[in-house]
Order: sequence, then C-alpha cells, then structure tokens
Amino acid sequence: DTEVTQTPKHLVMGMTNKKSLKCEQHMGHRAMYWYKQKAKKPPELMFVYSYEKLSINESVPSRFSPECPNSSLLNLHLHALQPEDSALYLCASSQEAGGRLEETQYFGPGTRLLVL
Amino acid sequence: GESVGLHLPTLSVQEGDNSIINCAYSNSASDYFIWYKQESGKGPQFIIDIRSNMDKRQGQRVTVLLNKTVKHLSLQIAATQPGDSAVYFCAENNGANNLFFGTGTRLTVIP
Repeated sequence: DTEVTQTPKHLVMGMTNKKSLKCEQHMGHRAMYWYKQKAKKPPELMFVYSYEKLSINESVPSRFSPECPNSSLLNLHLHALQPEDSALYLCASSQEAGGRLEETQYFGPGTRLLVL
Repeated sequence: GESVGLHLPTLSVQEGDNSIINCAYSNSASDYFIWYKQESGKGPQFIIDIRSNMDKRQGQRVTVLLNKTVKHLSLQIAATQPGDSAVYFCAENNGANNLFFGTGTRLTVIP
C-alpha cells in the first residue's frame, strides 16, 4: 500500500478565512512533506517533517502553518491567504528523511485551493 | 543552485510507438533520480527510480537511462498507450531527501 490521502479535494476560501488541509499515510513512513504546485509548473517544496519534527521550512510565509500531530498525520493551517496562494497543495511521505538515504516520496492526490 | 530541466516541454507520439523523455541535471553530486507521472487533477505518481551506481533500470514497459558523464537522464516508454498521456517529471534527490523537480514534459498519445 503506497497510498497518501488528502482532504479536502477542493477548497475555496476568502482572504480572511482560516482553513486546514489534512494529509494521512499508513505506510509507517517517518518523513512527510508539503509541496505547492502552480498550474503547468513542477511541485515546489514547502515543508519537511522528520519524525514529527519540522526539519525544513523553505522560507514559506507565516500564513501557512504546518502541524504534525503524529507520525501518520500532517496538517497545513491556512490563514489570511492571498489570491496568489491559489494552487494545488500536495502532501508526500517517505520512509526516512535526511542524510544520504535515498528514499522515494509518494504523493497524495492534492488539495486544489482557490483563494478569492 | 541545483537545476533539473527537460529538453522538450511537449511530446506527441502515435499509439504503439516508443516514447523517449529526456532530462538534464546540473548537480553532479546527485545520486538518486526519480521519474513521476502526473495526470490532470492528480498528484505525481512514482514510475521508476535509479541510483547513480547504475546506468539503466527497467520496469514494466519503462526504462530509465542515466548518463552521469553528461548529466542526462531519460525515460523510455515502450508501446505507448493512451493512458500514458500525462506530464512527466524527473526529480533529483539532493541527499537530504529534498526533491528538485524538472519543468515537466507533456506527453500526448495520438490514437
């Protein structure tokens, strides 16, 4: 089973709203990731969690707040977003993160976010 | 910085023909590469990977070739089918398990 699930599939929010994206995996992976993908562009890394601790923040604005409640769950809390934040938000997981380990990342289907 | 790029943004092939998608990378220290397929409205799907100690790796209908001398990666799809139509990304693992994606190639299979 290499499934990563994400909810919701679609989300429309205003610039004053607070919403959360959720990601879940049951593969026993200890690394989880958030990516942002704009139309016709490749995914861009936002955050990396390793063993439930934030290990990488790729200079993401504070209006995006990640949270890893346990090793299977990853959330992305959204607040005061801008229209340019509209994108596909992808979650991924891998066995490990860091060092020289070569680990395949498995992606969820994404949440398509529209900020009005 | 690192860059992973593709030579062609689009590729059209006839059903049943073989497809070749190319990718160039710039970080000679990279030692792990992955090809992903992304269909419209879906997340990237793992196709095949290759480590730098290999030149070639085969999967079901797919083959990845790695030429470290010229820092070039290719994905070959045999007997291309309509279901293969998608955007294909190569990705480079920088050792800290951060993936850097290429710009993507859109493959269109003509029935």
